[in-house]
Amino acid sequence: KNEVEQSPQNLTAQEGEFITINCSYSVGISALHWLQQHPGGGIVSLFMLSSGKKKHGRLIATINIQEKHSSLHITASHPRDSAVYICAVREETSGSRLTFGEGTQLTVNP
Amino acid sequence: SQTIHQWPATLVQPVGSPLSLECTVEGTSNPNLYWYRQAAGRGLQLLFYSVGIGQISSEVPQNLSASRPQDRQFILSSKKLLLSDSGFYLCAWSILAGATGELFFGEGSRLTVL
Repeated sequence: KNEVEQSPQNLTAQEGEFITINCSYSVGISALHWLQQHPGGGIVSLFMLSSGKKKHGRLIATINIQEKHSSLHITASHPRDSAVYICAVREETSGSRLTFGEGTQLTVNP
Repeated sequence: SQTIHQWPATLVQPVGSPLSLECTVEGTSNPNLYWYRQAAGRGLQLLFYSVGIGQISSEVPQNLSASRPQDRQFILSSKKLLLSDSGFYLCAWSILAGATGELFFGEGSRLTVL
């Protein structure tokens, strides 16, 4: 079992739909990252959370430390949101190391 | 502002040939530096990380090596490439102490070993 599990692995939505991607982890963490990888391969950091909720534009990320779970929400999805979304956790005992989920491939159709 | 440069962007190399991928960071000092690999259809795998000049930690056994000759320079090397070394390599940096710990990635280097 991976230490970081994402669901779903693949997600197809229609433009305008509300999207949720989930991330569960099994270790104690000091922070959780949500990353976006575009088709060309470049990766952009969307959020870093250690508690609560963060919002940036149409993106919202939440984390529940007790339940070891985080969600990434996209409101009013758009085809340009199509990408792979990756959850990564910084373990409490690992210092600089991150453990990554395998990513969620999101496709938003017009 | 901080930026990260990684090159080359694409590389096609024969089995047994050497490899050198270079990454440099601008606009920050003493960053933590990372090399990741993403094999086709798989998640990111940490290969090496460095918390300072000459300090390299290896996460997985392999025929790759890393070096940090300067504070903001991180190099991934191999003396003899294997077919299994094909993949997408990403350099990244972060600052942990006193800041957000956010991770910033280079544009990646796509390596095909034939």
